[in-house]
Amino acid sequence: DQQVKQNSPSLSVQEGRISILNCDYTNSMFDYFLWYKKYPAEGPTFLISISSIKDKNEDGRFTVFLNKSAKHLSLHIVPSQPGDSAVYFCAVSGANNLFFGTGTRLTVIP
Amino acid sequence: DTEVTQTPKHLVMGMTNKKSLKCEQHMGHRAMYWYKQKAKKPPELMFVYSYEKLSINESVPSRFSPECPNSSLLNLHLHALQPEDSALYLCASSQGQGLDQPQHFGDGTRLSIL
Repeated sequence: DQQVKQNSPSLSVQEGRISILNCDYTNSMFDYFLWYKKYPAEGPTFLISISSIKDKNEDGRFTVFLNKSAKHLSLHIVPSQPGDSAVYFCAVSGANNLFFGTGTRLTVIP
Repeated sequence: DTEVTQTPKHLVMGMTNKKSLKCEQHMGHRAMYWYKQKAKKPPELMFVYSYEKLSINESVPSRFSPECPNSSLLNLHLHALQPEDSALYLCASSQGQGLDQPQHFGDGTRLSIL
């Protein structure tokens, strides 16, 4: 049974607009949440994270929002750039466990 | 040097072969990880080494045998693998211990079992 779900396998966004990637998790024991970006033929690269004591964390164009009651987190990228085109994985951590979502492929159209 | 280097990039082996995957980092990180990723699936954690000691083994079959000779190197020894073991094997490292730490990943070894 999947602990983490990214229900949108793909997303297309126009350059300059906002990209919103979503992630849902099942277990309230998870207390740390991370986003990774992956280009083809490369390993994932860490983007941004948030702990369960916060509901928002921002780093430049990237912002992660956490809604603990809904067990939902999202990654906002604004403005989106063509170089952001990649697969984005969310990961959830807690109680000596770490699970990745299945990923969302973001395409930013110039 | 901010890279995690994995060798080989590709490996094809028979079910009776013995081979090893290698991972190296020179960032001074003290935690290292092995993941398995099947096509269109998320990475799945296999092993965690912390300060060169195995700290997590996610019920991985014994045909996979990890080894951490020193703080910069992590090996995965393979023996008597099955066709379903064909996958991308990713290595990662992190500065701190704990699964909440951001990890630096290598580009992976794509393994095919004949």
